[in-house]
Amino acid sequence: DAKTTQPTSMDCAEGRAANLPCNHSTISGNEYVYWYRQIHSQGPQYIIHGLKNNETNEMASLIITEDRKSSTLILPHATLRDTAVYYCIVLSGNTGKLIFGQGTTLQVKP
Amino acid sequence: DTAVSQTPKYLVTQMGNDKSIKCEQNLGHDTMYWYKQDSKKFLKIMFSYNNKELIINETVPNRFSPKSPDKAHLNLHINSLELGDSAVYFCASSTLGVGKNYGYTFGSGTRLTVV
Repeated sequence: DAKTTQPTSMDCAEGRAANLPCNHSTISGNEYVYWYRQIHSQGPQYIIHGLKNNETNEMASLIITEDRKSSTLILPHATLRDTAVYYCIVLSGNTGKLIFGQGTTLQVKP
Repeated sequence: DTAVSQTPKYLVTQMGNDKSIKCEQNLGHDTMYWYKQDSKKFLKIMFSYNNKELIINETVPNRFSPKSPDKAHLNLHINSLELGDSAVYFCASSTLGVGKNYGYTFGSGTRLTVV
């Protein structure tokens, strides 16, 4: 199972872009990168996913390096409600198993 | 109109009891999952069913038994509850594709406390 490495915590000023890095150097060619976040003890919330190309949706942008060994989640204008634990996950095989690491605790400050 | 709903939201019970947690999804997904989040906040998968067939069965005590009566439901029954079973249990669902999942959605969790 491909593993991911993320910083334990990050701070971001409200209104600024939050850039959350993730390393996944053992990712296989057909494995997708998924990002989820968990606010307090709520259920994890899907943010975005990608394979090779950069992706953007209404919540965030995902930048994947050309060698696919790392990626960055970008929240363009962070708000206080974006304070959460952000998980970078490489989807394992065809079973749908999500392997969560410790994630990055993002604290958005006024 | 909750997409993945779990009941109950909170469950407090004594050691040795047997309890069940129910999960239902109305998203038309073919795969459902149970995850456990312990006090250290790590989320780990326990089980997964695809079209009512067990496809993931992680190293979980056999006191835990999932049951999927149909594609829209996945229940978790726990026998002889122990203190260490205290955790938040999340149900999730998705549609499996080749190398990816579609619409992977989590429920809001069931906080189980064993006293």
